Amino acid sequence: DAGITQSPRHKVTETGTPVTLRCHQTENHRYMYWYRQDPGHGLRLIHYSYGVKDTDKGEVSDGYSVSRSKTEDFLLTLESATSSQTSVYFCAITEGTDLSYEQYFGPGTRLTVT
Amino acid sequence: GIQVEQSPPDLILQEGANSTLRCNFSDSVNNLQWFHQNPWGQLINLFYIPSGTKQNGRLSATTVATERYSLLYISSSQTTDSGVYFCAVLENTPLVFGKGTRLSVIA
Repeated sequence: DAGITQSPRHKVTETGTPVTLRCHQTENHRYMYWYRQDPGHGLRLIHYSYGVKDTDKGEVSDGYSVSRSKTEDFLLTLESATSSQTSVYFCAITEGTDLSYEQYFGPGTRLTVT
Repeated sequence: GIQVEQSPPDLILQEGANSTLRCNFSDSVNNLQWFHQNPWGQLINLFYIPSGTKQNGRLSATTVATERYSLLYISSSQTTDSGVYFCAVLENTPLVFGKGTRLSVIA
């Protein structure tokens, strides 16, 4: 499992509330990613990080922010949750070099916004 | 950006049957991976295979990079093979995923 944990694993929240999801890794990987998975859309990249305090946007970044103050933690924040952000969120890391790497996923967080 | 297409979108097999899943991509790639998402939602790495052929038990994969496709073979399928199989490729950006093939193996 490449030492990846996500918390919480399940969360129900109300529209308009802030939510933070945490991804934690234990193997000092440089690259970390946040994806969301929705029926009919597959896996879509939200944000990724290539080092402490180094992040970039992915395909569906609107409404999300991220922070990485330590190598081992990558946080995803929904500043004001909306029903369209109901989804399963996966964190991932990569092992290898910049041009030859393999990606591994965490167990996922199921978020429901009511 | 690069496009990834998987086929078929859905597949139903009798236990013990063999199957081939296909992944086509629109440009040359540096990496290609196959994943299995089981019915509990867990994403499991199957193969890292930017080119060539690899085998792992009843599963094998072949990527022909010059023709921009990869194949995943499942032999003697079992009910535990059910789930969604994703292909993902890397060009110059983070992995781009196909929409997956949903496999149901019936006992």
